[in-house]
Amino acid sequence: GAGVSQSPRYKVAKRGQDVALRCDPISGHVSLFWYQQALGQGPEFLTYFQNEAQLDKSGLPSDRFFAERPEGSVSTLKIQRTQQEDSAVYLCASSLSPGTKGVQPQHFGDGTRLSIL
Amino acid sequence: TQLLEQSPQFLSIQEGENLTVYCNSSSVFSSLQWYRQEPGEGPVLLVTVVTGGEVKKLKRLTFQFGDARKDSSLHITAAQPGDTGLYLCAGASGNQFYFGTGTSLTVIP
Repeated sequence: GAGVSQSPRYKVAKRGQDVALRCDPISGHVSLFWYQQALGQGPEFLTYFQNEAQLDKSGLPSDRFFAERPEGSVSTLKIQRTQQEDSAVYLCASSLSPGTKGVQPQHFGDGTRLSIL
Repeated sequence: TQLLEQSPQFLSIQEGENLTVYCNSSSVFSSLQWYRQEPGEGPVLLVTVVTGGEVKKLKRLTFQFGDARKDSSLHITAAQPGDTGLYLCAGASGNQFYFGTGTSLTVIP
């Protein structure tokens, strides 16, 4: 399809395991955002890429969280040594324009629901 | 940290009623966006407002951006069950988008 695709849709892992979440943005979109969303709450910003450059990672909760977008398209969010508090929905969004200036909308994927046992 | 506070957090109304959702902040934003999110899906953009005092209408939905660009409101006229969902405001600052705390709306047939 032409939208943002995230995989897997659901991920269950044991505490202490590493997980990797994938985001395929809309082709040609410059900006890519990762968010963490708790049930019934608004998404919280994790990190932002402009093409392959990670320009802002101030929202990553700890050094166990790592994101990359090596070729400026597909992005991966990795969480090492997972903890129960990492359980959440992780959303990816892409936007045509760089940064947050202007009025280009963010297009969201349907998220990955991560459950840490 | 969520800079944008929404109220109410939960709203349950009968079909045909009107409602208003508020989005408030102490920070100034260059633009504010409103999204609607349904269970198991990502948020979908409804509107972007960029000018202080701006009013935009989208069928039964009316969006307003405060004069000081710190707050916004969403008014729904004659709500329908299809309006049920989580409504989110979002503002841009630097390289980040800050989302509001969310308003969960249920419209009962």
